[in-house]
Amino acid sequence: DTGVSQDPRHKITKRGQNVTFRCDPISEHNRLYWYRQTLGQGPEFLTYFQNEAQLEKSRLLSDRFSAERPKGSFSTLEIQRTEQGDSAMYLCASTIGLADTGELFFGEGSRLTVL
Amino acid sequence: AQTVTQSQPEMSVQEAETVTLSCTYDTSESDYYLFWYKQPPSRQMILVIRQEAYKQQNATENRFSVNFQKAAKSFSLKISDSQLGDAAMYFCAYRSGRYSGGGADGLTFGKGTHLIIQP
Repeated sequence: DTGVSQDPRHKITKRGQNVTFRCDPISEHNRLYWYRQTLGQGPEFLTYFQNEAQLEKSRLLSDRFSAERPKGSFSTLEIQRTEQGDSAMYLCASTIGLADTGELFFGEGSRLTVL
Repeated sequence: AQTVTQSQPEMSVQEAETVTLSCTYDTSESDYYLFWYKQPPSRQMILVIRQEAYKQQNATENRFSVNFQKAAKSFSLKISDSQLGDAAMYFCAYRSGRYSGGGADGLTFGKGTHLIIQP
């Protein structure tokens, strides 16, 4: 499978716990994006990476959220001290970069439920 | 900042009929892309069709076509010969072009339209 993969697909946690999601983009893609999608809404941009550099962060990304892409390949999104409002689908997407067609390729998402 | 508006939370169509989903957007940029993405239940989001703003010709992909009205900032999706497999959430999305400055480099999405196909 050469698509974008995300792990875990589902995570249930108690309020106050930390959670980490992983995204493996398509191998030749150097841009990687994280989005959050709540029920009945479209995805909202969180942050993106060009290779290992985090180039932009949304105001939605509070200081409890941190994202990394240490070697320019896979990325992790960590949420510390989770709150019930963090319950959402976290989507990862990738694209090839400057030569791209504008299209983003999405993973199936990681659904977070905070109890 | 760019915004994307989908005014139809839900649409229903009979199988084999044609349906049009509406989308409007707001931008001050001249270079951008517009997309329609499909998100089936519990499945990943996939691209249906894309349109570059500099192209006047409307994009077409098999049964899917768009009506791109740049001056009106309107980008509707027409699905012909609707099939049961077309049932999904459809999201209209905007992305700044390569030569547009500033802003997030990702997609700005509308809230989506839930498309129901009646057998």
